[in-house]
Amino acid sequence: GQQLNQSPQSMFIQEGEDVSMNCTSSSIFNTWLWYKQEPGEGPVLLIALYKAGELTSNGRLTAQFGITRKDSFLNISASIPSDVGIYFCAGHGAGNMLTFGGGTRLMVKP
Amino acid sequence: NAGVTQTPKFQVLKTGQSMTLQCAQDMNHEYMSWYRQDPGMGLRLIHYSVGAGITDQGEVPNGYNVSRSTTEDFPLRLLSAAPSQTSVYFCASAIGAIYNEQFFGPGTRLTVL
Repeated sequence: GQQLNQSPQSMFIQEGEDVSMNCTSSSIFNTWLWYKQEPGEGPVLLIALYKAGELTSNGRLTAQFGITRKDSFLNISASIPSDVGIYFCAGHGAGNMLTFGGGTRLMVKP
Repeated sequence: NAGVTQTPKFQVLKTGQSMTLQCAQDMNHEYMSWYRQDPGMGLRLIHYSVGAGITDQGEVPNGYNVSRSTTEDFPLRLLSAAPSQTSVYFCASAIGAIYNEQFFGPGTRLTVL
């Protein structure tokens, strides 16, 4: 099946720093999504991208749909303690299924 | 709206036991799905449904059954639990036309001894 490689697997940063994470695939995706999961809860959708090259922001979060349609990036500016969690990318290619990356665990030091 | 609800929150089973994980949504969403989450592996799709009476297999369907008799409910059945099914299970739903934007429930943590 389709595989999504998400990196880094974990990050430990200082409050106020910017964060970058990415997802790459060997297959083309038509949609990229970014989710955040906090402990004991289900993932929550942050940003959805539907067009190659698209750049979309949601507050301090910015995500981009790669031109090749095989990658996507998520940036968080000026991190705060409540940004802590696991961030997942997900892609949709053919069919009715989403493929999820393995997640990036973000830890923020106040 | 309660959104997507799942019961139970936690469950411990012995190998060979059967049980049903419940999932319900009150948003009139056509699309519903079940995922399992294991450490370092993200979420993997077990089964999904694009509407009442329609179900299909996902990436890891073996050992699980589903049915969709109503728009609101999408139960997941384990017929004979195995230790390899120890995981956190998430149900999700989405508006049919843009099912990529899935809303997730809070999860069920299942341990099979």
